Amino acid sequence: DGGITQSPKYLFRKEGQNVTLSCEQNLNHDAMYWYRQDPGQGLRLIYYSQIVNDFQKGDIAEGYSVSREKKESFPLTVTSAQKNPTAFYLCASSITVRTNEKLFFGSGTQLSVL
Amino acid sequence: RKEVEQDPGPFNVPEGATVAFNCTYSNSASQSFFWYRQDCRKEPKLLMSVYSSGNEDGRFTAQLNRASQYISLLIRDSKLSDSATYLCVVNMLFRDDKIIFGKGTRLHILP
Repeated sequence: DGGITQSPKYLFRKEGQNVTLSCEQNLNHDAMYWYRQDPGQGLRLIYYSQIVNDFQKGDIAEGYSVSREKKESFPLTVTSAQKNPTAFYLCASSITVRTNEKLFFGSGTQLSVL
Repeated sequence: RKEVEQDPGPFNVPEGATVAFNCTYSNSASQSFFWYRQDCRKEPKLLMSVYSSGNEDGRFTAQLNRASQYISLLIRDSKLSDSATYLCVVNMLFRDDKIIFGKGTRLHILP
């Protein structure tokens, strides 16, 4: 079955440490997204990518970095510059950005600071 | 005015009742509208797209009012399994191709 796989499900970060969240999709979608969700809040866009080797900052990109070397993969690195990283992170994809297509989401990664 | 604003929750509704959610959006150039459902600590899943003519899927009805810039979701004969957070989503194709999520409205169906 096609879908989006996020890993790990739970991740703990030490102070000053960079951590990378994995997101893989086999839906052949061009567009991929990373969202952050805090308790009682909506999803906020961190980064998105419309095509391989291209990505744009979202509303809260500071302290995060991404890469899009393959169509299937869009990993997110939470750097030590992100001072409040504890949140639920969701990866999503859509056929393209400029369409009315729905978003497909991974099951999320809960990141916590030790 | 926030880009996408939803009714504050939570809504506590007895099983079998009808419940309605509203969502307003600020950008009149918004093109596409959706309702997503999110269970606790799970990923959002598409519930319905919202069309100008309104659309219905079983117990769920979605409507769009472009003049007043709001969308609504109506759930009839509510079930315990309808308990979740409902997210309003607006695709602003003319704002850097971004999809904007509302904060969501939590619904509790009471037995």
